[in-house]
Amino acid sequence: NAGVTQTPKFQVLKTGQSMTLQCAQDMNHNSMYWYRQDPGMGLRLIYYSASEGTTDKGEVPNGYNVSRLNKREFSLRLESAAPSQTSVYFCASSEGGDPYEQYFGPGTRLTVT
Amino acid sequence: GNSVTQMEGPVTLSEEAFLTINCTYTATGYPSLFWYVQYPGEGLQLLLKATKADDKGSNKGFEATYRKETTSFHLEKGSVQVSDSAVYFCALSPRFNDYKLSFGAGTTVTVRA
Repeated sequence: NAGVTQTPKFQVLKTGQSMTLQCAQDMNHNSMYWYRQDPGMGLRLIYYSASEGTTDKGEVPNGYNVSRLNKREFSLRLESAAPSQTSVYFCASSEGGDPYEQYFGPGTRLTVT
Repeated sequence: GNSVTQMEGPVTLSEEAFLTINCTYTATGYPSLFWYVQYPGEGLQLLLKATKADDKGSNKGFEATYRKETTSFHLEKGSVQVSDSAVYFCALSPRFNDYKLSFGAGTTVTVRA
């Protein structure tokens, strides 16, 4: 099992450019998440998808859009990148239920200049 | 709202020293509590968890006890190794709204040989 995979691993964008971060999981999990990690702030939830066909905003959704393409895949799109979006982005998945554990991908390091 | 407060780092220790990382939380109801660990260059992985008051989670020599009376979930290890060098995150999941994890800011631990 690959678990949670993310592409790309690194990306540099200029202000105003767009890009999509890809995430896939092979654990048949219902729920998927996108987080950003910034120094001294822990992880903050951007968007999540509780199940296939549903998406909801997290703590910091502005400037992002998501698509739950199918049960395996959950993408994050930056339509017009800004320097404030420089961060490390993590995708995660979970089975749901209580209690539950989230499984994280290796992350994408994004720099916006 | 839900929040997690961790002791600030960085923490630097010698091998075989005792490690404590303090974590306190604010939540309504009875959340589940987690410690996640992030090794250099990797995504987060679950270290241990506790789902009700007085539960003790343990893994890899690490322990944490869910203390409802003090709203705390402190992480401890009796004898650290160089391989324990990582960033440690305390997190909570509201029991009846289980799609969102709230993370602390993270504590960087460096163990010297």
